[in-house]
Amino acid sequence: DGGITQSPKYLFRKEGQNVTLSCEQNLNHDAMYWYRQDPGQGLRLIYYSQIVNDFQKGDIAEGYSVSREKKESFPLTVTSAQKNPTAFYLCASSRQGGAETQYFGPGTRLLVL
Amino acid sequence: RKEVEQDPGPFNVPEGATVAFNCTYSNSASQSFFWYRQDCRKEPKLLMSVYSSGNEDGRFTAQLNRASQYISLLIRDSKLSDSATYLCVVNLSGNQFYFGTGTSLTVIP
Repeated sequence: DGGITQSPKYLFRKEGQNVTLSCEQNLNHDAMYWYRQDPGQGLRLIYYSQIVNDFQKGDIAEGYSVSREKKESFPLTVTSAQKNPTAFYLCASSRQGGAETQYFGPGTRLLVL
Repeated sequence: RKEVEQDPGPFNVPEGATVAFNCTYSNSASQSFFWYRQDCRKEPKLLMSVYSSGNEDGRFTAQLNRASQYISLLIRDSKLSDSATYLCVVNLSGNQFYFGTGTSLTVIP
């Protein structure tokens, strides 16, 4: 089946720890995105990538890092510099950047111990 | 001012009712518009794109009013399965997507 997968579904982070969230797509989409969703707020863009080996910061990139070594994969690392990491993290992809429809993965819920 | 604003609701409607949601956007240069549906603790899923001429998909109708800078979603003959949060999404340009906070709908038997 074609789609976007995210793992793990739930992730627990200890103070000072870096954690990495996985996002994989087999839709042959060029563009991939990471969003964060907090209660009562709209999705906010963390990072996006339109092509392999290239990515740009979104509105709330501080405390996060990404890589795009393969077209199919766009992992997100939540670093210890992110002081309020508890949120629902959503990965999305689209055929190209711009106004193309985005399709979302099932999300990863990150909790701080 | 937020880029996209939605009435958070909740909207509680009986089965079979017609319900409408509005969403306003602040930037007149916005190019593309979408409605997504999000079930509790799940990812958003595309419901429909919104075109200038308006578009319909079964019981769902979306309208765009560029002059007043709002989009709307009309759901006719509401079903229990329509209960969800509906997100308004606006694309300004390139990769700039702005999401509303969502409107909660509960359809009551």
